[in-house]
Amino acid sequence: QITLKESGPTLVKPTQTLTLTCTFSGFSLSTSGVGVGWIRQPPGKALEWLALIYWNDDKRYSPSLKSRLTITKDTSKNQVVLTMTNMDPVDTATYYCAHGRAVAGGDWFDPWGQGTLVTVSS
Amino acid sequence: SYELTQPPSVSVSPGQTARITCSGDALPKQYAYWYQQKPGQAPVLVIYKDSERPSGIPERFSGSSSGTTVTLTISGVQAEDEADYYCQSADSSPVFGGGTKLTVL
Repeated sequence: QITLKESGPTLVKPTQTLTLTCTFSGFSLSTSGVGVGWIRQPPGKALEWLALIYWNDDKRYSPSLKSRLTITKDTSKNQVVLTMTNMDPVDTATYYCAHGRAVAGGDWFDPWGQGTLVTVSS
Repeated sequence: SYELTQPPSVSVSPGQTARITCSGDALPKQYAYWYQQKPGQAPVLVIYKDSERPSGIPERFSGSSSGTTVTLTISGVQAEDEADYYCQSADSSPVFGGGTKLTVL
């Protein structure tokens, strides 16, 4: 059974850097075709993909947020870390991590963690 | 940047068929995926690779593809199907549609 759980601060101040950790079990991030992605959802709004890291350490970022995002993995700890710099109130959202599958023709996410709400406010 | 377009809302009566569309230029070349999200919950994958159904997803959920449009069909809609539905695909990287709120009247 695959499970993922997000952890990190619930409140950050504007201009600060957000660091979120995804701790997972039930799969290995060294297995071919496997990845972990981050997706966020502002209150009442749609899902927005942020970043994805693959088993081979290939990394992909949302073009609109690429300059602010860094994704890394620690395979031995079964963790993936996302950092987002220069946080702004518009970044207030629930942040999800999800198990990713990479296939020719597109990647998908299943299952997802429960999500963690991050509020950006002074 | 690549976009996927969904109708904001769809309404159906119980027992009827709901169809939710998703349009995007890359859909003829890339797979589409569908997620169901109920209030306060994380999204759940209901269709992958255009038309495949994960284990545990009811048979009333199906997917199809035609040109630049993919469709999620829910046959015999039940009250428990009321949720937001998101399509997802990829061009050079993953992208989500804007979501469709399914209301069961």
